[in-house]
Amino acid sequence: DIQMTQSPSAMSASVGDRLTITCRASQGIGNSLAWFQQKPGKVPKRLIYAASSLQSGVPSRFSGSGSGTEFTLTISSLQPEDFATYYCLQHNTYPRTFGQGTKVEVK
Amino acid sequence: EVQLVESGGGLVQSGRSLRLSCTASGFAFGDYYMSWVRQAPGRGLEWVGFIRNRAYGGTTEYAASVKGRFTISRDDSKTIAYLQMNSLKIEDTAVYYCSRDYSISSPQGAFDLWGQGTVVTVSS
Repeated sequence: DIQMTQSPSAMSASVGDRLTITCRASQGIGNSLAWFQQKPGKVPKRLIYAASSLQSGVPSRFSGSGSGTEFTLTISSLQPEDFATYYCLQHNTYPRTFGQGTKVEVK
Repeated sequence: EVQLVESGGGLVQSGRSLRLSCTASGFAFGDYYMSWVRQAPGRGLEWVGFIRNRAYGGTTEYAASVKGRFTISRDDSKTIAYLQMNSLKIEDTAVYYCSRDYSISSPQGAFDLWGQGTVVTVSS
Protein backbone atom coordinates (compact mmCIF):
# COMPACT_ATOMS: atom_id res chain seq x y z
CA ASP A 1 0.00 0.00 0.00
CA ILE A 2 1.09 3.57 -0.65
CA GLN A 3 1.56 5.59 2.53
CA MET A 4 0.96 9.34 2.42
CA THR A 5 2.99 11.22 5.02
CA GLN A 6 1.60 14.70 5.53
CA SER A 7 3.35 17.42 7.49
CA PRO A 8 2.98 19.29 9.67
CA SER A 9 0.06 17.76 11.55
CA ALA A 10 -0.89 21.18 12.90
CA MET A 11 0.23 24.75 12.53
CA SER A 12 -0.60 28.10 14.02
CA ALA A 13 -0.77 31.00 11.63
CA SER A 14 -2.01 34.53 11.22
CA VAL A 15 -4.07 36.18 8.52
CA GLY A 16 -1.76 37.12 5.68
CA ASP A 17 0.76 34.37 6.34
CA ARG A 18 2.12 32.15 3.59
CA LEU A 19 1.59 28.47 4.41
CA THR A 20 3.06 25.33 2.91
CA ILE A 21 1.84 21.81 3.62
CA THR A 22 3.71 18.77 2.33
CA CYS A 23 2.69 15.25 1.42
CA ARG A 24 5.19 12.55 0.66
CA ALA A 25 4.15 9.31 -1.02
CA SER A 26 5.95 6.08 -0.17
CA GLN A 27 6.18 5.34 -3.89
CA GLY A 28 5.61 7.27 -7.08
CA ILE A 29 2.03 8.25 -7.88
CA GLY A 30 2.60 10.45 -10.91
CA ASN A 31 0.29 13.43 -10.48
CA SER A 32 -2.69 11.51 -9.10
CA LEU A 33 -2.94 13.65 -6.01
CA ALA A 34 -5.67 15.91 -4.71
CA TRP A 35 -5.87 18.37 -1.82
CA PHE A 36 -8.98 18.90 0.28
CA GLN A 37 -10.13 21.44 2.84
CA GLN A 38 -12.49 20.39 5.60
CA LYS A 39 -14.14 22.58 8.19
CA PRO A 40 -15.75 21.12 11.34
CA GLY A 41 -18.98 19.31 10.57
CA LYS A 42 -18.63 19.93 6.85
CA VAL A 43 -17.99 17.81 3.78
CA PRO A 44 -14.41 17.76 2.41
CA LYS A 45 -13.97 20.19 -0.45
CA ARG A 46 -11.51 19.52 -3.25
CA LEU A 47 -9.12 22.42 -3.78
CA ILE A 48 -6.48 20.99 -6.09
CA TYR A 49 -6.55 18.05 -8.49
CA ALA A 50 -3.86 16.45 -10.64
CA ALA A 51 -1.35 17.80 -8.09
CA SER A 52 -1.37 21.34 -9.42
CA SER A 53 -4.71 22.17 -11.07
CA LEU A 54 -6.97 24.57 -9.22
CA GLN A 55 -10.55 23.43 -8.74
CA SER A 56 -13.04 25.78 -10.33
CA GLY A 57 -14.27 28.36 -7.85
CA VAL A 58 -11.32 27.98 -5.48
CA PRO A 59 -9.41 31.21 -4.80
CA SER A 60 -6.10 31.61 -6.59
CA ARG A 61 -4.22 31.99 -3.31
CA PHE A 62 -4.31 28.18 -3.19
CA SER A 63 -1.77 26.36 -5.33
CA GLY A 64 -0.33 22.88 -5.59
CA SER A 65 2.90 21.51 -6.93
CA GLY A 66 4.89 18.33 -7.20
CA SER A 67 4.84 14.97 -8.88
CA GLY A 68 6.06 11.49 -8.17
CA THR A 69 6.50 11.36 -4.42
CA GLU A 70 6.71 14.96 -3.16
CA PHE A 71 3.76 17.34 -3.18
CA THR A 72 2.98 20.68 -1.63
CA LEU A 73 -0.09 22.80 -1.02
CA THR A 74 0.60 26.49 -0.64
CA ILE A 75 -1.70 29.23 0.60
CA SER A 76 -0.10 32.47 -0.47
CA SER A 77 -1.92 34.78 1.95
CA LEU A 78 -4.03 33.13 4.61
CA GLN A 79 -7.57 34.45 4.96
CA PRO A 80 -9.92 34.06 7.94
CA GLU A 81 -12.00 31.48 6.10
CA ASP A 82 -8.93 29.30 5.48
CA PHE A 83 -8.63 28.10 9.08
CA ALA A 84 -9.51 24.44 8.59
CA THR A 85 -7.99 21.00 8.23
CA TYR A 86 -6.30 20.04 4.96
CA TYR A 87 -5.82 16.54 3.56
CA CYS A 88 -3.97 15.11 0.61
CA LEU A 89 -5.23 12.01 -1.18
CA GLN A 90 -3.50 9.72 -3.65
CA HIS A 91 -5.81 8.04 -6.15
CA ASN A 92 -3.16 6.51 -8.39
CA THR A 93 -3.92 3.05 -7.11
CA TYR A 94 -5.89 1.21 -4.46
CA PRO A 95 -6.21 1.37 -1.62
CA ARG A 96 -6.71 5.12 -1.98
CA THR A 97 -4.85 6.75 0.88
CA PHE A 98 -5.23 10.08 2.63
CA GLY A 99 -2.61 12.00 4.50
CA GLN A 100 -3.14 12.33 8.25
CA GLY A 101 -4.34 15.92 7.90
CA THR A 102 -2.97 19.34 8.79
CA LYS A 103 -4.99 21.50 11.14
CA VAL A 104 -4.43 25.21 10.54
CA GLU A 105 -5.25 27.20 13.66
CA VAL A 106 -5.23 30.84 14.63
CA LYS A 107 -1.96 31.96 16.19
CA GLU B 1 -28.43 19.19 -10.09
CA VAL B 2 -25.23 17.17 -9.80
CA GLN B 3 -25.30 15.57 -6.39
CA LEU B 4 -24.83 12.53 -4.19
CA VAL B 5 -27.14 11.81 -1.28
CA GLU B 6 -26.34 9.20 1.34
CA SER B 7 -28.93 7.52 3.51
CA GLY B 8 -29.31 4.57 5.83
CA GLY B 9 -27.16 5.58 8.76
CA GLY B 10 -28.21 5.11 12.36
CA LEU B 11 -27.52 3.45 15.68
CA VAL B 12 -26.75 -0.26 15.55
CA GLN B 13 -25.41 -2.78 18.02
CA SER B 14 -22.00 -4.31 17.64
CA GLY B 15 -22.09 -7.44 15.49
CA ARG B 16 -25.17 -6.36 13.54
CA SER B 17 -25.51 -5.16 9.96
CA LEU B 18 -26.46 -1.95 8.21
CA ARG B 19 -26.79 -0.94 4.57
CA LEU B 20 -26.02 2.54 3.35
CA SER B 21 -27.19 3.98 0.06
CA CYS B 22 -25.68 6.69 -2.12
CA THR B 23 -28.12 8.08 -4.66
CA ALA B 24 -26.58 9.98 -7.56
CA SER B 25 -28.18 12.49 -9.87
CA GLY B 26 -27.19 14.93 -12.58
CA PHE B 27 -24.27 13.02 -14.09
CA ALA B 28 -23.45 9.81 -15.94
CA PHE B 29 -23.33 7.54 -12.91
CA GLY B 30 -22.48 4.47 -14.96
CA ASP B 31 -19.25 6.05 -16.16
CA TYR B 32 -17.74 6.38 -12.68
CA TYR B 33 -16.11 4.24 -10.06
CA MET B 34 -17.80 5.05 -6.75
CA SER B 35 -15.91 5.25 -3.48
CA TRP B 36 -16.93 5.24 0.15
CA VAL B 37 -14.91 7.27 2.66
CA ARG B 38 -15.45 7.46 6.41
CA GLN B 39 -14.40 9.73 9.24
CA ALA B 40 -14.48 8.58 12.84
CA PRO B 41 -15.22 11.26 15.46
CA GLY B 42 -12.26 13.61 15.76
CA ARG B 43 -10.22 11.60 13.27
CA GLY B 44 -9.03 11.96 9.70
CA LEU B 45 -10.48 10.68 6.45
CA GLU B 46 -10.26 6.97 5.70
CA TRP B 47 -10.99 5.40 2.34
CA VAL B 48 -13.28 2.39 2.76
CA GLY B 49 -13.47 0.99 -0.74
CA PHE B 50 -14.73 1.45 -4.27
CA ILE B 51 -16.66 -0.26 -6.98
CA ARG B 52 -15.56 -0.01 -10.59
CA ASN B 53 -18.04 0.83 -13.29
CA ARG B 54 -19.46 -1.88 -15.53
CA ALA B 55 -16.93 -1.21 -18.28
CA TYR B 56 -14.24 -2.29 -15.84
CA GLY B 57 -16.16 -5.27 -14.59
CA GLY B 58 -17.99 -3.69 -11.67
CA THR B 59 -15.43 -5.23 -9.33
CA THR B 60 -14.60 -3.96 -5.87
CA GLU B 61 -11.59 -3.12 -3.72
CA TYR B 62 -11.53 -2.50 0.03
CA ALA B 63 -9.41 -1.15 2.81
CA ALA B 64 -7.87 -3.85 4.97
CA SER B 65 -9.87 -2.63 7.99
CA VAL B 66 -13.20 -3.57 6.37
CA LYS B 67 -12.30 -6.35 3.93
CA GLY B 68 -14.46 -9.40 4.46
CA ARG B 69 -17.08 -7.45 6.43
CA PHE B 70 -18.16 -4.69 4.05
CA THR B 71 -19.48 -5.10 0.52
CA ILE B 72 -20.01 -2.38 -2.07
CA SER B 73 -22.49 -2.84 -4.88
CA ARG B 74 -24.23 -0.65 -7.41
CA ASP B 75 -27.45 -0.45 -9.37
CA ASP B 76 -26.80 1.66 -12.43
CA SER B 77 -30.48 1.62 -13.44
CA LYS B 78 -31.32 3.38 -10.18
CA THR B 79 -28.01 5.31 -9.98
CA ILE B 80 -27.40 4.04 -6.47
CA ALA B 81 -24.26 2.72 -4.82
CA TYR B 82 -24.59 0.63 -1.67
CA LEU B 83 -22.36 -0.13 1.27
CA GLN B 84 -23.39 -3.29 3.09
CA MET B 85 -21.74 -3.38 6.49
CA ASN B 86 -21.76 -6.67 8.40
CA SER B 87 -20.24 -7.70 11.72
CA LEU B 88 -20.06 -4.07 12.75
CA LYS B 89 -17.56 -3.05 15.38
CA ILE B 90 -17.52 -0.05 17.70
CA GLU B 91 -14.55 1.31 15.72
CA ASP B 92 -16.74 1.49 12.60
CA THR B 93 -18.53 4.43 14.20
CA ALA B 94 -18.08 7.30 11.74
CA VAL B 95 -19.60 9.62 9.23
CA TYR B 96 -19.75 7.75 5.94
CA TYR B 97 -19.41 9.66 2.69
CA CYS B 98 -19.74 8.48 -0.88
CA SER B 99 -17.74 10.18 -3.59
CA ARG B 100 -17.37 9.72 -7.29
CA ASP B 101 -14.00 8.30 -8.15
CA TYR B 102 -12.31 7.45 -11.44
CA SER B 103 -13.86 7.89 -14.84
CA ILE B 104 -12.07 7.27 -18.13
CA SER B 105 -13.64 10.45 -19.49
CA SER B 106 -12.44 12.44 -16.47
CA PRO B 107 -9.48 10.63 -14.93
CA GLN B 108 -8.59 13.56 -12.72
CA GLY B 109 -12.18 14.15 -11.71
CA ALA B 110 -11.83 11.72 -8.85
CA PHE B 111 -13.30 12.88 -5.55
CA ASP B 112 -14.61 16.16 -6.92
CA LEU B 113 -18.14 15.36 -5.73
CA TRP B 114 -19.13 14.18 -2.27
CA GLY B 115 -22.39 13.45 -0.53
CA GLN B 116 -23.33 15.15 2.71
CA GLY B 117 -22.50 12.05 4.75
CA THR B 118 -24.54 9.73 6.94
CA VAL B 119 -23.73 8.94 10.56
CA VAL B 120 -23.24 5.38 11.71
CA THR B 121 -22.96 4.74 15.43
CA VAL B 122 -22.11 1.26 16.65
CA SER B 123 -22.86 0.54 20.30
CA SER B 124 -21.76 -2.33 22.53
